Amino acid sequence: GAVVSQHPSRVICKSGTSVKIECRSLDFQATTMFWYRQFPKQSLMLMATSNEGSKATYEQGVEKDKFLINHASLTLSTLTVTSAHPEDSSFYICSASWGGTTYEQYFGPGTRLTVT
Amino acid sequence: QQQVKQSPQSLIVQKGGISIINCAYENTAFDYFPWYQQFPGKGPALLIAIRPDVSEKKEGRFTISFNKSAKQFSLHIMDSQPGDSATYFCAAMVETSGSRLTFGEGTQLTVNP
Repeated sequence: GAVVSQHPSRVICKSGTSVKIECRSLDFQATTMFWYRQFPKQSLMLMATSNEGSKATYEQGVEKDKFLINHASLTLSTLTVTSAHPEDSSFYICSASWGGTTYEQYFGPGTRLTVT
Repeated sequence: QQQVKQSPQSLIVQKGGISIINCAYENTAFDYFPWYQQFPGKGPALLIAIRPDVSEKKEGRFTISFNKSAKQFSLHIMDSQPGDSATYFCAAMVETSGSRLTFGEGTQLTVNP
């Protein structure tokens, strides 16, 4: 149980375009979803936290107008990178928590974004 | 105060040996300490976790030792195997804060055959 999927697993886009990444909890309802960014050989950096039906809470230094997060249902959150630039190239990972008797986070497999 | 310090940055162990990774924290409000294993190009996966009411937790070849007074915890991998080669992250959370995790910097473990 507690499976989280991400789509796509890899995406290449041209500079200036927008790209959407989906995160789904497959077998549980996720009251909270998290979006992380990870650079090579570095730790996970939390970008934002979202609760279903509410606006996302962004970490300091993360541009909310550039990284649009929508948590439209208890099983789906999306991250849209708007007007992508090469420096946005990274590994994006989502996680989900159902917040019942445990606040454990279950991580998705990640999405490799390359902006050319 | 929110940081979790992890060491070593990298670790090379022979097959069958013991791998030890250490973490230290400052925030005494942390009450949940998970360890994650991450393979290249994949998301992290929960390996084992501990709460501060116990000093040790063992699951198979993986053991967490927890020292509340020293604010330190460590992961021991017994009988290390080449398949254990991965990056390991310790983390800490205040469970009542809505499950926000604070991660350590990561340890790249290589187990030589």
